[in-house]
Amino acid sequence: NAGVTQTPKFQVLKTGQSMTLQCAQDMNHNSMYWYRQDPGMGLRLIYYSASEGTTDKGEVPNGYNVSRLNKREFSLRLESAAPSQTSVYFCASSWYRQQETQYFGPGTRLLVL
Amino acid sequence: KQEVTQIPAALSVPEGENLVLNCSFTDSAIYNLQWFRQDPGKGLTSLLLIQSSQREQTSGRLNASLDKSSGRSTLYIAASQPGDSATYLCAVHNTDKLIFGTGTRLQVFP
Repeated sequence: NAGVTQTPKFQVLKTGQSMTLQCAQDMNHNSMYWYRQDPGMGLRLIYYSASEGTTDKGEVPNGYNVSRLNKREFSLRLESAAPSQTSVYFCASSWYRQQETQYFGPGTRLLVL
Repeated sequence: KQEVTQIPAALSVPEGENLVLNCSFTDSAIYNLQWFRQDPGKGLTSLLLIQSSQREQTSGRLNASLDKSSGRSTLYIAASQPGDSATYLCAVHNTDKLIFGTGTRLQVFP
């Protein structure tokens, strides 16, 4: 039981490049989330998926897109990376709603030059 | 707009001390409150979740309390150990999102 896994662990991009961050969970959770963590800002919600087939914007969605590929997988895409997107990205999941305990992956460190 | 504040930002204590971490929030209309631990370069580990109808939750040496009316929660760590060194984050569940504080970085020295 791996819990929540994320790939890659670390990535360096040049401004304007695109990439997809992958997330998978093996706990049969319905809801999945993407957060970013920046110094002094705490964690902020980018997008979430309450259930398979649905996605909704969080607090800071601009510059990102998401895909809930199936119940297990939730990907985050940066179409044209900007230096302001340098951050640590965390994926999380919960049984059903945001109001329940969320379980986090180990994070992806992204540096945009 | 809900705001979550954690004071102090950093704390250094000798091993064996009992300590209290504080979390305050501005909007008392919350579903619940969750405490997390984050080790350097790692993800978040959930420690305790307190429902809005509860006053406290306990897990081992950890005890979390919640006072919705005053907008406060505390995390009490008994008999601290060097292995407790980490950043502790609190987060409140509002209607559709989890709002995080910026954390308290705890160092327990031998």
